[in-house]
Amino acid sequence: EVQLVESGGGSVQPGRSLRLSCAASGFTFDDYAMHWVRQAPGKGLEWVSGISWDSGSIGYVDSVKGRFTISRDNAKNSLYLQMNSLRTEDTALYYCAKDATPGGLGELSNWGQGNQVTVSS
Amino acid sequence: QSVLTQPPSVSGAPGQRVTISCTGSSSNIGAGYDVHWYQQLPGTAPKLLIYGNSNRPSGVPDRFSGSKSGTSASLAITGLQAEDEADYYCQSYDSSSWVFGGGTKLTVL
Repeated sequence: EVQLVESGGGSVQPGRSLRLSCAASGFTFDDYAMHWVRQAPGKGLEWVSGISWDSGSIGYVDSVKGRFTISRDNAKNSLYLQMNSLRTEDTALYYCAKDATPGGLGELSNWGQGNQVTVSS
Repeated sequence: QSVLTQPPSVSGAPGQRVTISCTGSSSNIGAGYDVHWYQQLPGTAPKLLIYGNSNRPSGVPDRFSGSKSGTSASLAITGLQAEDEADYYCQSYDSSSWVFGGGTKLTVL
């Protein structure tokens, strides 16, 4: 059974940093691209970032470019999102999601339960 | 403002059929990129409902179907059931980014 477990969220002040982690199990992690998707309170889904199986292809939504960095450690079956210079508008539930393909252009076949990030002074 | 446009809400009585539209443009759906649909039950993570425009993952009832034409896609739900009450999102690809529709809240009357 595919399992994705996010951790590392919390409450921080604007301008500070957080690092989210996603521990994957139940599938061959380095065969698939991975993504981060967020959902602000009462709002819809927003794709944040994606990374191919070999980290060779990486993408970000415009609003986080230059502030967030996605990475993965295939030896540890883990996905990460380093979030710097956090803004109040980054407040959301952050989901880790597994792509159905290695390259990252497939559907999001499995999702974690989400990890809350709150940015407030 | 989402790149993909969905109606904010739809409703139907049990047993009825409803459709949810997802309107894009020539840079996403119209460029030939696939559309995927997700169901988000209250308080839970999204779940893949339809992939590749019209394919159902294992375990998804055949009451759910998807289609795509030109710059739009649709999700149809037949034989509405109370447990179908949820938020539904379409997703496609545009300019090196994945994009979601704004979401549609389905109410079963």
